[in-house]
Amino acid sequence: GENVEQHPSTLSVQEGDSAVIKCTYSDSASNYFPWYKQELGKRPQLIIDIRSNVGEKKDQRIAVTLNKTAKHFSLHITETQPEDSAVYFCAAFTGGGNKLTFGTGTQLKVEL
Amino acid sequence: GAVVSQHPSWVICKSGTSVKIECRSLDFQATTMFWYRQFPKQSLMLMATSNEGSKATYEQGVEKDKFLINHASLTLSTLTVTSAHPEDSSFYICSAREFGGSNQPQHFGDGTRLSIL
Repeated sequence: GENVEQHPSTLSVQEGDSAVIKCTYSDSASNYFPWYKQELGKRPQLIIDIRSNVGEKKDQRIAVTLNKTAKHFSLHITETQPEDSAVYFCAAFTGGGNKLTFGTGTQLKVEL
Repeated sequence: GAVVSQHPSWVICKSGTSVKIECRSLDFQATTMFWYRQFPKQSLMLMATSNEGSKATYEQGVEKDKFLINHASLTLSTLTVTSAHPEDSSFYICSAREFGGSNQPQHFGDGTRLSIL
């Protein structure tokens, strides 16, 4: 089955700096890659997603890049703000398994 | 759009009690819903996939007689934890997948924090 690895597990940045979180996946058949933000005690919120026919997608300060050959995808947050502090999860969807496989999460802390 | 409602948000009950959790997609139809369990500071662990009108598909190691799932309509799935014990205490989260294909976005409910005394 699919295996998703996520790095780093914790990330501290200064307000205004950029943050990058990286994920790798094992199943070359995976074709959908969402990113979720989860604040403490709350639901995971879908913040951006990308499909395998696209290499990059951007939504304001958030962007995701996908390298199918290397089987990795990354989340980029620019001009970070304190409210960006949360746990971020990447995930990969494989049609054969009909489910999302989640990474282990990254605790992002944006410091003033 | 794409709102998923989950109730209750918090349950505290005695050991041996059965607890029912509801998951509703409010503004879209969801033929497929998912139930996850999340321990503190850990990732989401898929327990089962709930398909409208058919039996749920359970992940390896999840007891189907312990965690009963019913998906009676396109907007409602329920998870019943039967004869709950302290080790079942956890944060349970449902999600619903948008209609239109298996790789459509999934949206999560607020979760249910279950505490068994």
